[in-house]
Amino acid sequence: DAGITQSPRHKVTETGTPVTLRCHQTENHRYMYWYRQDPGHGLRLIHYSYGVKDTDKGEVSDGYSVSRSKTEDFLLTLESATSSQTSVYFCAIGGTSGRAHTGELFFGEGSRLTVL
Amino acid sequence: ILNVEQSPQSLHVQEGDSTNFTCSFPSSNFYALHWYRWETAKSPEALFVMTLNGDEKKKGRISATLNTKEGYSYLYIKGSQPEDSATYLCAFYSGNTPLVFGKGTRLSVIA
Repeated sequence: DAGITQSPRHKVTETGTPVTLRCHQTENHRYMYWYRQDPGHGLRLIHYSYGVKDTDKGEVSDGYSVSRSKTEDFLLTLESATSSQTSVYFCAIGGTSGRAHTGELFFGEGSRLTVL
Repeated sequence: ILNVEQSPQSLHVQEGDSTNFTCSFPSSNFYALHWYRWETAKSPEALFVMTLNGDEKKKGRISATLNTKEGYSYLYIKGSQPEDSATYLCAFYSGNTPLVFGKGTRLSVIA
């Protein structure tokens, strides 16, 4: 158990509403990531963070923003949710000491978001 | 853009059959190759991390090989069991960018 908690685990919302997903870790990992999982696409990187207040875009960042004000929390925000953002969102952590040399990641349990 | 390809996309085998699938990745800027096992409604779990050309890793009935010169890795499952049913992801690491995942091979083992 890599000490990663995602919240909420399930959310149903309406188009145009803001949504924030939270990822909390207790492992003091430097790197944190947000992925989305969609049929036929596997895991696609949305944003990642390499330290407090240091973030970068991934492959599918449009429509998403992130913040990391402390090591343990990485927030993913959909400012105005759309139906195309219906997905399962996974947080991952990695990059502590030796792990940084291989890129190994540990995943949270996922957050299922439905945008109606 | 780095491209990681996995084949086949899905696979159905009978219990007891042995099977294998492929991950293709760039042969340049190689740092590590990861295999993850992803059961439905759960989160991906690391199976193997391989860093050296010729690496072979084994965990129970599952093993993996790595060829960095030609850019491929094979995952083998010997004597498949229903509990092996999952999606198997490979991911390429170049050392200075996040992991790049393939789309996975979905394995179904029929009892």
